[in-house]
Amino acid sequence: DAKTTQPPSMDCAEGRAANLPCNHSTISGNEYVYWCRQIHSQGPQYIIHGLKNNETNEMASLIITEDRKSSTLILPHATLRDTAVYYCIVLIQGAQKLVFGQGTRLTINP
Amino acid sequence: KAGVTQTPRYLIKTRGQQVTLSCSPISGHRSVSWYQQTPGQGLQFLFEYFSETQRNKGNFPGRFSGRQFSNSRSEMNVSTLELGDSALYLCASSPLWDTEAFFGQGTRLTVV
Repeated sequence: DAKTTQPPSMDCAEGRAANLPCNHSTISGNEYVYWCRQIHSQGPQYIIHGLKNNETNEMASLIITEDRKSSTLILPHATLRDTAVYYCIVLIQGAQKLVFGQGTRLTINP
Repeated sequence: KAGVTQTPRYLIKTRGQQVTLSCSPISGHRSVSWYQQTPGQGLQFLFEYFSETQRNKGNFPGRFSGRQFSNSRSEMNVSTLELGDSALYLCASSPLWDTEAFFGQGTRLTVV
């Protein structure tokens, strides 16, 4: 079973920052927080992952709370192409096994 | 750099038949994992191979099997197809295990 809880849907205006929350209160010390997204009819696309420190790459930033029980994915300047279902996943170290929940359907509005 | 290639992209099979799907990972990637996506169940993990060994397996019946070859290419096989096996089957490759996974476009299987 998925170990994360996400809101089913969110809206964001184009050009604004999109902040997607995720709860993972039962996460273990050896588990990563892993985000990917799926744009309609395409395979999922990796976004970012982290263990306990905040992470940033060219696509997004990942903010993990100090107790690691929740995190936020930030898309700094959302575009229409960021409309997708975003999945927050808890990934065990040493195992390439993604357990997907229902994700958050993010809609970017013009 | 070529991405993950899955073949075929679309497939129609009859109940009771078997099917083999193929996945060619990104060059140099040694981990290949498979997922099933249906409207009702979402994305579900099938299994993962690393260096020709199955390291993880999801909760699917034994009709679902897979293998990985020495060149890291992978195949999955579904025997005695059922209508409920109709789904998008996705393959993902990774350089190692707990790193970013790159997904292919999937094979859409329809069982009639």
